[in-house]
Amino acid sequence: GDSVTQMEGPVTLSEEAFLTINCTYTATGYPSLFWYVQYPGEGLQLLLKATKADDKGSNKGFEATYRKETTSFHLEKGSVQVSDSAVYFCALLSGGSYIPTFGRGTSLIVHP
Amino acid sequence: EAGVTQSPTHLIKTRGQQATLRCSPISGHTSVYWYQQALGLGLQFLLWYDEGEERNRGNFPPRFSGRQFPNYSSELNVNALELEDSALYLCASSAGRTSGYNEQFFGPGTRLTVL
Repeated sequence: GDSVTQMEGPVTLSEEAFLTINCTYTATGYPSLFWYVQYPGEGLQLLLKATKADDKGSNKGFEATYRKETTSFHLEKGSVQVSDSAVYFCALLSGGSYIPTFGRGTSLIVHP
Repeated sequence: EAGVTQSPTHLIKTRGQQATLRCSPISGHTSVYWYQQALGLGLQFLLWYDEGEERNRGNFPPRFSGRQFPNYSSELNVNALELEDSALYLCASSAGRTSGYNEQFFGPGTRLTVL
C-alpha cells in the first residue's frame, strides 16, 4: 500500500538557517504530493503541492520538487524564521484513491 | 470565504460516555473527512463522507460513527469512550468530484479529553 516516510524530528535551527525536511514515498502510479503545516493549536494548512514528476511546488519561501526517480518530495527553505516553527506533514494522494496518506510529521523549532 | 469550522473547540468526557463532534465544510464542498491525531501518532484516517454517503472508513472500531447532512455538514459520534480516544479530531473538506478530490482543507480541530 501507499506510505510516506518523513525524517524524525524535532529539527532545531537558528533563524536564517537553511531548512530541509526529507520526505520519501511509496505509491502505485503517479500520485499527487503535498506538504501541510500545522501551527501550534491549529489544524493543518496546505503549504504547497505538486501533481506530476519534476513539478516544483512553492509558497511562502518554501519549495519542494516532485522527484519520481528517487520517489522524494523534500521540503526546503533558504532562510527560516521563528514564525516557521510548526509541524510539517508530507502527504500523497494516489490516482483513484480519495484518501491521502500522511507522514508522521516533523516538528521544526526555530530559535532567534 | 469562511473556512472549515468545527465545534466544540474542547470537549471533556468521562470513560463510557458518548461524544459528538461537528464540522461545517467550506461552502460548495461536498466531501468531508475525519481524522484522529493522537499524540505522537500523526494523522489517522477515520471516515469519509461524500454527497451524503459514507464512502470509506479507516481501521477504527464501530463505536466511531458519523453522518453527513443534506447541507454537507457532518457529525462524528464516538460511543463508549475510552481513555485512548483522547486526541485532536480534525475535519477536512474538499470540493469532491469537481476537484477530483485532490485537495483537502482542514478545520482547527476538536480536542477531546477522556477522563
